[in-house]
Amino acid sequence: QVQLQESGPGLVKPSQTLSLTCTVSGGSISSGSYYWSWIRQPAGKGLEWIGRIYTSGSTNYNPSLKSRVTISVDTSKNQFSLKLSSVTAADTAVYYCATYDFWSGYLDYWGQGTLVTVSS
Amino acid sequence: QSALTQPASVSGSPGQSITISCTGTSSDVGSYNLVSWYQQHPGKAPKLMIYEVSKRPSGVSNRFSGSKSGNTASLTISGLQAEDEADYYCCSYAGSSTFGVFGGGTKLTVL
Repeated sequence: QVQLQESGPGLVKPSQTLSLTCTVSGGSISSGSYYWSWIRQPAGKGLEWIGRIYTSGSTNYNPSLKSRVTISVDTSKNQFSLKLSSVTAADTAVYYCATYDFWSGYLDYWGQGTLVTVSS
Repeated sequence: QSALTQPASVSGSPGQSITISCTGTSSDVGSYNLVSWYQQHPGKAPKLMIYEVSKRPSGVSNRFSGSKSGNTASLTISGLQAEDEADYYCCSYAGSSTFGVFGGGTKLTVL
């Protein structure tokens, strides 16, 4: 069973870069079964896709965030990462990493989520 | 991509059945039998409840069922229990070159 764990700073200053890592256990990030995904949820609001990466390194990003987002994968560490630049208070949210099934498009494994607050 | 449309809230009494709708377009819900549903309790990560319109992952109660007609998918919960009170989100596959489209979420209250 795949398990995911987000890690990174819980507080980021405005205009700086938010950096989070998702560590995968119980499975290989090199598996071709999943897109490795980031999703966020502002307090009291719905789920928002940030983007995803395949094991090949191919990425898809939310158009509304595309200019500020980079998702990368480190197969040696079985991790994938998120960088979101030039953050503002609007980027304050719980950030989740999750697996997105390659064939059927569902999110079957989720990390517990990590709250990132953008504030000076 | 526009978000899928869900009712903001639904409610039901214990033992009753409720249905949550999820309306998309011919580019997402209507084109693929790849709708999934997620349950989210406060402070918790979403949990997959239904995938491929009507399939249940191992461990999910058979009180949860899914269906689809045209551009609208539905989640039905029968025999409502207090523990079912949560937010529910639908998500539809929208093509291989992009990720899925979420619904706005529905808050289920068990009266």
